[in-house]
Order: sequence, then structure tokens, then C-alpha cells
Amino acid sequence: KQEVTQIPAALSVPEGENLVLNCSFTDSAIYNLQWFRQDPGKGLTSLLLIQSSQREQTSGRLNASLDKSSGRSTLYIAASQPGDSATYLCAVIYTGTASKLTFGTGTRLQVTL
Amino acid sequence: DAGVIQSPRHEVTEMGQEVTLRCKPISGHNSLFWYRQTMMRGLELLIYFNNNVPIDDSGMPEDRFSAKMPNASFSTLKIQPSEPRDSAVYFCASSLGSVPNYSPLHFGNGTRLTVT
Repeated sequence: KQEVTQIPAALSVPEGENLVLNCSFTDSAIYNLQWFRQDPGKGLTSLLLIQSSQREQTSGRLNASLDKSSGRSTLYIAASQPGDSATYLCAVIYTGTASKLTFGTGTRLQVTL
Repeated sequence: DAGVIQSPRHEVTEMGQEVTLRCKPISGHNSLFWYRQTMMRGLELLIYFNNNVPIDDSGMPEDRFSAKMPNASFSTLKIQPSEPRDSAVYFCASSLGSVPNYSPLHFGNGTRLTVT
């Protein structure tokens, strides 16, 4: 079964700390992997998209890596801020599934003052 | 760009009633998705349209659910009759592209449906 797993389910860090969120997927045959952020009561906001041929993508303080062979992706957040508090979800499009995104259950991040 | 627009934001209805959720995708996007989010099951894809044509509706729970996309700028998700277990947040999302090159997925703010 093609699944996406995120660990940990929740994380609390003090402001200024660098942190890593983990995502694993069960099949290396993917088109791409996306990281999203979801704030309470809101929809998802796309943060980074990594195509299957790429190894990483960067946007500001965010860096996402992709290792297809091991079925893993990490989202690195540098110098965390309270405004980074949200739920972070990764999602994968497996080949052969048209455009179907398979989502992980997310990591709820809280950055404290 | 106004983003993906969904209406209503909240819907409370009684069991057995018909519910219609509406979505306006981002102009120019050719793919549209309906997702459902619950605490128990997370995000589930219900149906996916490409160029207004339903491509994959395998996630539609049962015949009570139907979706249409009459044109490139409008889609509806209908539940008839509604049941309490349909209570969830329903998201519409759109993107530009097709296999294997996709643009990032843009989500609306969702419709929170409560069926009593």
C-alpha cells in the first residue's frame, strides 16, 4: 500500500532553534513531493515542491530534501519563529496514480517564546 | 490572484438534507481536486478533474456524493442525502499541469460541514 508517514506527530521548540521534520514514503516511484503548511481553520499552503529528478528545494528559511532511494524527505526550518507554528504536511504523487496526492498525517509544530 | 474560492465557509444541516459545496479554481488552472479532512482519516482525495473532465472518482465514498465541473471556473460537490458521518472540512484545490509535471497545489480555505 502506498502510504506517507510523518514523525513526530507533534513538536515544540523554543524560538530561534533550527529543526527538522521528517517524511517517509513507501514507494520510490514518485512524480514529486510537496510540503504544505496548514494553520488552524485554514486551507493548506504549498511551501516547497520537489520534482522526482531533484534532490532539494529552498525557500527563505526552509529547505526540503528528497532521497527517493530511501523513501525519505526532510523539511529543515532555520531560526524558527513563533509565526512558524502550524501543522506541516508532506504529500507525494506516486507514479501511476494520475495526479493523486497522498498525504501524511502531519507534524504539529509549536515554536515558543 | 484571489486564490481558490470556496463557499460556503460553514454549513450546518440536518441529516437527510441535500448539501452543495461550491468552488472557483484559480484562473488558468486545469486541474481541480476535492478533498475531505477529518481528524480520524486526515486528508482524503474524493475526486480529481482535468480540463473539466473527471479523471479519478475512486475516492467518492458512495452514491450519495456527486461532483460536477460544468466549466473551467466552477465546480460543485453535492451530498444527497447527508449523514452525520459526512461531517468534515471539505477542501477544493487547483493546479496547473498534468503527468508528470505539476505545479504546486493551491487550496481554498475549505467548507466546514456539520450534519446533525
